[in-house]
Amino acid sequence: DAGITQSPRHKVTETGTPVTLRCHQTENHRYMYWYRQDPGHGLRLIHYSYGVKDTDKGEVSDGYSVSRSKTEDFLLTLESATSSQTSVYFCASRTGNSGQPQHFGDGTRLSIL
Amino acid sequence: AQSVTQLDSQVPVFEEAPVELRCNYSSSVSVYLFWYVQYPNQGLQLLLKYLSGSTLVKGINGFEAEFNKSQTSFHLRKPSVHISDTAEYFCAVSSNSGGSNYKLTFGKGTLLTVNP
Repeated sequence: DAGITQSPRHKVTETGTPVTLRCHQTENHRYMYWYRQDPGHGLRLIHYSYGVKDTDKGEVSDGYSVSRSKTEDFLLTLESATSSQTSVYFCASRTGNSGQPQHFGDGTRLSIL
Repeated sequence: AQSVTQLDSQVPVFEEAPVELRCNYSSSVSVYLFWYVQYPNQGLQLLLKYLSGSTLVKGINGFEAEFNKSQTSFHLRKPSVHISDTAEYFCAVSSNSGGSNYKLTFGKGTLLTVNP
């Protein structure tokens, strides 16, 4: 499968602290995505990127920001974490070719106390 | 805007029985359709996809799905399940236009539990 690495894999932090999650892909994929997965909600899109320095909001973007300074890296930042942001976060990437699927990383389990 | 409804949140079945996981979608534009599987503590893995052409799509691990445009459905089937098929299954839809940036809209998932 596509080489997508998420770090850290697990993190516990306190309310009000900043948190940055990293997604690294080795496939030279144009598009990258951040999702959160919560019980009963499936996966919901937070932010996505359609090229270096080109990003846009998804369905649940409040409280999150992203940056993409290189093709291979897509960072998700929680500026001031809240307990409602406790979740499992998944990164995905895909090529720019029509019909290709998104490929997913193994996720980051984030707990905010 | 698009939406996906997975009609069953949980489906328990016995080993070697057939199974169908139901998915309906809503979209004002032409779509691509996907089924993903998630094993415990792992990411999502693509099972199969429908882009165009034949409405019956075959995927990995013996799964198949049928696209029905008139009923806006994309149900997933397997004729005989194994214990190892126990996982959560997600149906997803995206516009087939690059202008949408190929964003996926997911259903809420169906937990398939295969019992001995």
